[in-house]
Amino acid sequence: EPEVTQTPSHQVTQMGQEVILRCVPISNHLYFYWYRQILGQKVEFLVSFYNNEISEKSEIFDDQFSVERPDGSNFTLKIRSTKLEDSAMYFCASNPTGSETQYFGPGTRLLVL
Amino acid sequence: AQSVAQPEDQVNVAEGNPLTVKCTYSVSGNPYLFWYVQYPNRGLQFLLKYITGDNLVKGSYGFEAEFNKSQTSFHLKKPSALVSDSALYFCAVKGTGANNLFFGTGTRLTVIP
Repeated sequence: EPEVTQTPSHQVTQMGQEVILRCVPISNHLYFYWYRQILGQKVEFLVSFYNNEISEKSEIFDDQFSVERPDGSNFTLKIRSTKLEDSAMYFCASNPTGSETQYFGPGTRLLVL
Repeated sequence: AQSVAQPEDQVNVAEGNPLTVKCTYSVSGNPYLFWYVQYPNRGLQFLLKYITGDNLVKGSYGFEAEFNKSQTSFHLKKPSALVSDSALYFCAVKGTGANNLFFGTGTRLTVIP
């Protein structure tokens, strides 16, 4: 069964550094999302992406965040200058046209020191 | 504005007994309702959804949920709990026309052998 994959599974970075989190959505899906889950808290929406542009974003998704679909398979989340409070599990999700069900990847655990 | 309430942080149930994990929601328009399960160090796995139609929906691993419009609830149920059902369960809602899922705070289910 096709799955959303994410790399790396864990990333440790220094405050102020740039990180890129990578996702490969399910191949026939056209809608892509990033969510995050701070330890012990609920899952929060960051951004949705369709047709090579952002379709919706939350107030969390400020100017330090960006998303890109650099090729036909990858979907990336870049955090330009990481802060301590960016430490969280970041989940990528995707869904196909005509379905409301979002399928999530295993997540990338980001730790900012 | 969307909101989801999972009133119980923790639910304990004996193996073989029925289980219920509660969820109530608030959303504009018709709700799209979902349950996801998260096992330790894993991503979110889709269990079931309500979009329209029959109020009782059946999902993976023997789980089911009942949509109750008057009570704005979508409780997750299973007739006979297994130890392997022990995990963190998230209820999520999406409003009509919205892209993102809005998650509850999660309920940790522990099935006691």
